[in-house]
Amino acid sequence: GDSVTQKQGQVTLSEDDFLFINCTYSTTTYPTLLWYVQYPGQGPQLLLKVTTANNKGISRGFEATYDKGTTSFHLQKASVQESDSAVYFCALVESSGSWQLIFGSGTQLTVMP
Amino acid sequence: DAGVTQTPRHEVAEKGQTIILKCEPVSGHNDLFWYRQTKIQGLELLSYFRSKSLMEDGGAFKDRFKAEMLNSSFSTLKIQPTEPKDSAVYLCASSFSGGSAETLYFGSGTRLTVL
Repeated sequence: GDSVTQKQGQVTLSEDDFLFINCTYSTTTYPTLLWYVQYPGQGPQLLLKVTTANNKGISRGFEATYDKGTTSFHLQKASVQESDSAVYFCALVESSGSWQLIFGSGTQLTVMP
Repeated sequence: DAGVTQTPRHEVAEKGQTIILKCEPVSGHNDLFWYRQTKIQGLELLSYFRSKSLMEDGGAFKDRFKAEMLNSSFSTLKIQPTEPKDSAVYLCASSFSGGSAETLYFGSGTRLTVL
């Protein structure tokens, strides 16, 4: 079945550092890949969507690109701020047609001032 | 506020108690999801409704977890009886049927602690 793997459980950076979070996926169809962000005390909210049509998504300074060859899609940001501290989830839209989401285990990003 | 509303925000229960969590989806949304979130397991799907019909009941959660959609604007998740391992954040989400991820909205969750 479809799956996503997010191995980085925690990332700690300083302000203005470069952020890179990787996620790998497995699916039998053309994937729709998503990144969600969850701030403390809130539910996840959609940050970016990437499809085979666009290969890349950009929002709020974040950029996500997918690589079909390595079945990976990563989230990056050139210069993080303390306000970016949150949990970031990658997700895959299930290929069975129900369009349910399969979530990665999440990466806790802490940005030190 | 037109978002997903979950109540209560926090719940503390003794082992063996019955608890009911509530969710009001975004008005007009036809799909409703219940997730459990823990640090170890991440986000796990408990139930999925489409136009009030149960589409998926999350397999491993069948025995003590029961979600219902009483009408298009209200859903409950009952856990009976509760166990300490049920301590987690329970998230409700809603979207338009068959819609894209852009229409999926999550509530802020209910943090359940079972003693």
